[in-house]
Amino acid sequence: GAVVSQHPSWVICKSGTSVKIECRSLDFQATTMFWYRQFPKQSLMLMATSNEGSKATYEQGVEKDKFLINHASLTLSTLTVTSAHPEDSSFYICSASLGNRGTQYFGPGTRLLVL
Amino acid sequence: AQTVTQSQPEMSVQEAETVTLSCTYDTSESNYYLFWYKQPPSRQMILVIRQEAYKQQNATENRFSVNFQKAAKSFSLKISDSQLGDTAMYFCAWAMFFSTPFSGGYNKLIFGAGTRLAVHP
Repeated sequence: GAVVSQHPSWVICKSGTSVKIECRSLDFQATTMFWYRQFPKQSLMLMATSNEGSKATYEQGVEKDKFLINHASLTLSTLTVTSAHPEDSSFYICSASLGNRGTQYFGPGTRLLVL
Repeated sequence: AQTVTQSQPEMSVQEAETVTLSCTYDTSESNYYLFWYKQPPSRQMILVIRQEAYKQQNATENRFSVNFQKAAKSFSLKISDSQLGDTAMYFCAWAMFFSTPFSGGYNKLIFGAGTRLAVHP
C-alpha cells in the first residue's frame, strides 16, 4: 500500500518550453501533496505544499509563476515548470500524505534536463 | 528555527555488522513525529521507520531500530545485520504540523543533510 507514481520519470526539453509533471497516489486518497527539488548529493528542498481544491503554499524563494501547481483531485497533483531554463534542470520529487498527521510517501522522482 | 542535523556525511560498515547513524533536531514543540528515509541509487525515497514523540518506546522495524532521546533531542538509527542492499543515502526528518482551515492540517518535513552509508562485503 501507499504507492505514489510520477510521470514522466525523465524529460529533456528545450529552453523556453513548459514541462508538466504528474504525481498520483495510486491506492489512497492524499489530503496533501508536496513537491520537492533535489540537487546532486544534496538533501530534499521543499518547493510547495498543495491541498486538493485550494491554492498551493509555496516556500520562500520559490517563484509561484514559474512553478505552477494544480491539485485537481485527492489522487492527482501536477507541477508545471513554465518557460524552463537550464538552471531549472534538477530532480523533482513529489510526495503524498495520508491523513492530517500522516506519513509522506514519495514518488520515484522526475529528472528534468533543459537544453 | 527548527533544524535537523546529521553530523556524519559518510559511514561505512561491513556486511552483517551493526551501524548507527546519528541525528539531532531542535524544536520547542512537544508533540511531533520523526522519520528516517532511505534513498538508494535509484533515488526513490523509502520510509525506513517512524517515531511519535509522545511514545517513549523506541520504534523498530525488523533490522532497523531507533534510539529516541526526547530530552536530548536525539534520534539515531541502528541497522543490525547490515546487508549490501542497505547501501544508500539516509535522511533523518522532523515533521512540523501545520493547521489548515479546510483540510485539517498536514505534516511538513524538515530534512537533515543526509548520511551516505556504504555496506561492504
